[in-house]
Amino acid sequence: QKEVEQNSGPLSVPEGAIASLNCTYSDRGSQSFFWYRQYSGKSPELIMFIYSNGDKEDGRFTAQLNKASQYVSLLIRDSQPSDSATYLCAVNAGGTSYGKLTFGQGTILTVHP
Amino acid sequence: NAGVTQTPKFQVLKTGQSMTLQCAQDMNHNSMYWYRQDPGMGLRLIYYSASEGTTDKGEVPNGYNVSRLNKREFSLRLESAAPSQTSVYFCASSTGWDQPQHFGDGTRLSIL
Repeated sequence: QKEVEQNSGPLSVPEGAIASLNCTYSDRGSQSFFWYRQYSGKSPELIMFIYSNGDKEDGRFTAQLNKASQYVSLLIRDSQPSDSATYLCAVNAGGTSYGKLTFGQGTILTVHP
Repeated sequence: NAGVTQTPKFQVLKTGQSMTLQCAQDMNHNSMYWYRQDPGMGLRLIYYSASEGTTDKGEVPNGYNVSRLNKREFSLRLESAAPSQTSVYFCASSTGWDQPQHFGDGTRLSIL
């Protein structure tokens, strides 16, 4: 059973702080990794994706991947109240799993003024 | 600039009724997917279509059928709806298997 684990939270941070969201996965052969943001009652929205070990930065967001530790994280710098949402980690194992994303349960983030 | 369009947005059915959820994308994507999202269960893949003319089962296919009508359209059919199929259904598409998936707005389905 391929699994993706996230701390469900809620994670509460003050405005302007760094929010750190973590995700672990069980399939060592996993090849691509995605972070989605989902506001209540809305659809998932792609935030970041990463394929290689290391960091990938896009504006206030940084995705970090460590395949040896089977760990992917999302850092949100200068957090804003508008960042309050559920963040979903998704992993694509590739190979015969073709395109099958396995999602974590999501971490609820609250940014308070 | 529509992206992925799902219809209907809301639907209430009685147990045993059938219906088809429609999904269309205008991004020229090869692959399309159907998910359901339930509280405490996260997003789970029902069926997917790697390319036009192909479909395959995901994690929770029982009670559903799909049709990839053409490159743009991928429909999900409930032949005999059951209360356990009450959920929010999302359609998604991507250029390829390892590329980011883009989601539609969802269909909120209640089965009484």
